[in-house]
Amino acid sequence: AQTVTQSQPEMSVQEAETVTLSCTYDTSESDYYLFWYKQPPSRQMILVIRQEAYKQQNATENRFSVNFQKAAKSFSLKISDSQLGDAAMYFCAYRDYYGGSQGNLIFGKGTKLSVKP
Amino acid sequence: DAGVTQSPTHLIKTRGQQVTLRCSPKSGHDTVSWYQQALGQGPQFIFQYYEEEERQRGNFPDRFSGHQFPNYSSELNVNALLLGDSALYLCASSLSVVSNQPQHFGDGTRLSIL
Repeated sequence: AQTVTQSQPEMSVQEAETVTLSCTYDTSESDYYLFWYKQPPSRQMILVIRQEAYKQQNATENRFSVNFQKAAKSFSLKISDSQLGDAAMYFCAYRDYYGGSQGNLIFGKGTKLSVKP
Repeated sequence: DAGVTQSPTHLIKTRGQQVTLRCSPKSGHDTVSWYQQALGQGPQFIFQYYEEEERQRGNFPDRFSGHQFPNYSSELNVNALLLGDSALYLCASSLSVVSNQPQHFGDGTRLSIL
């Protein structure tokens, strides 16, 4: 069975600095998707960034970028120029390539990110 | 463009009771997935509905059941509630034919069991 591990329960960063959140996963599949979701106290899961396993290029979305190491099964999230609004729980998630349609998400336990002014 | 909407926002029940949670998917989406998020944990997959049928199911007992209606909205039913069922229940919607698109989540229903 696929698993997702986030080894950092809590992280802290100074405003305007850079922080990296770690995620490792285990799967025997070759095609899959990886996601980072943000969950602020408002509870809604907000997609931050996604990566298709077949793409070697690391995904980037404005201040957010990933370091995807397929062989090592590692998928870390880098947040540059951290802002107060980045404070939230961050979840790493895995999804099988479910025969061309949507499979279910498997989440890690999350990392709570605090941003200091 | 309406996103995923869930109702109610909060719910308090007692052990042994039954509960129904509701979800309306994002406009244009046809697949609904339900997740349970215990306090301090990541969400866990309960089941997924497509074309009014349960397509996938996670490791949850039969007390958890669901339904999808012709308009793609969905219900999650939990019978014989236990204290351990206290959690945030998240609904997510997606479009089945587009495999690389992410699921969109609602704000969740906070269920408390006394």
